[in-house]
Amino acid sequence: DAMVIQNPRYQVTQFGKPVTLSCSQTLNHNVMYWYQQKSSQAPKLLFHYYDKDFNNEADTPDNFQSRRPNTSFCFLDIRSPGLGDTAMYLCATSPRGQGEQPQHFGDGTRLSIL
Amino acid sequence: RKEVEQDPGPFNVPEGATVAFNCTYSNSASQSFFWYRQDCRKEPKLLMSVYSSGNEDGRFTAQLNRASQYISLLIRDSKLSDSATYLCAVNKAGRDDKIIFGKGTRLHILP
Repeated sequence: DAMVIQNPRYQVTQFGKPVTLSCSQTLNHNVMYWYQQKSSQAPKLLFHYYDKDFNNEADTPDNFQSRRPNTSFCFLDIRSPGLGDTAMYLCATSPRGQGEQPQHFGDGTRLSIL
Repeated sequence: RKEVEQDPGPFNVPEGATVAFNCTYSNSASQSFFWYRQDCRKEPKLLMSVYSSGNEDGRFTAQLNRASQYISLLIRDSKLSDSATYLCAVNKAGRDDKIIFGKGTRLHILP
């Protein structure tokens, strides 16, 4: 059974039209992450939540926001997507601190901006 | 020097052969190391953690060389199904601890 679930699997949206990606987990992990991965690139960390504490990466564009209403759910909001935001967006979880343990990934959402 | 660096490949290897690739990291304080496998258009999946003493899981062996700051992955008796991209991940350590991924090494097993 999938333990980190992302919806939708595929999303096509227009330039500038807000989009929200969702992630849910059944692992009861404290930490949830959002990554952006472009073709042939490493997954790039956008931000993460440790419980309710939000941690933004310094180079994450302001266009990207996140919400974590409860332990199980986390959302990625892209307020005004640009063509350069076309990528796979990966949600991941881990039980505790960032570097200690491996991360469990969802299937990803493949986002295309037209 | 990049924080985590991998040879992008591709490594084209005949079925049944042994293949190994390395991943170098820049922060000598890093303590946690992982290998992930990523199939085309799929999410990364944890293959194995890398311990100081090295570890083995079936045909896969991972090693850590702290002196030279690299980790390695060796695959014996390679199968067609081993074709994938292999990402290494290393914790950055320090105040801003987080996991940094390499770009991955592409492996093609040839029939």
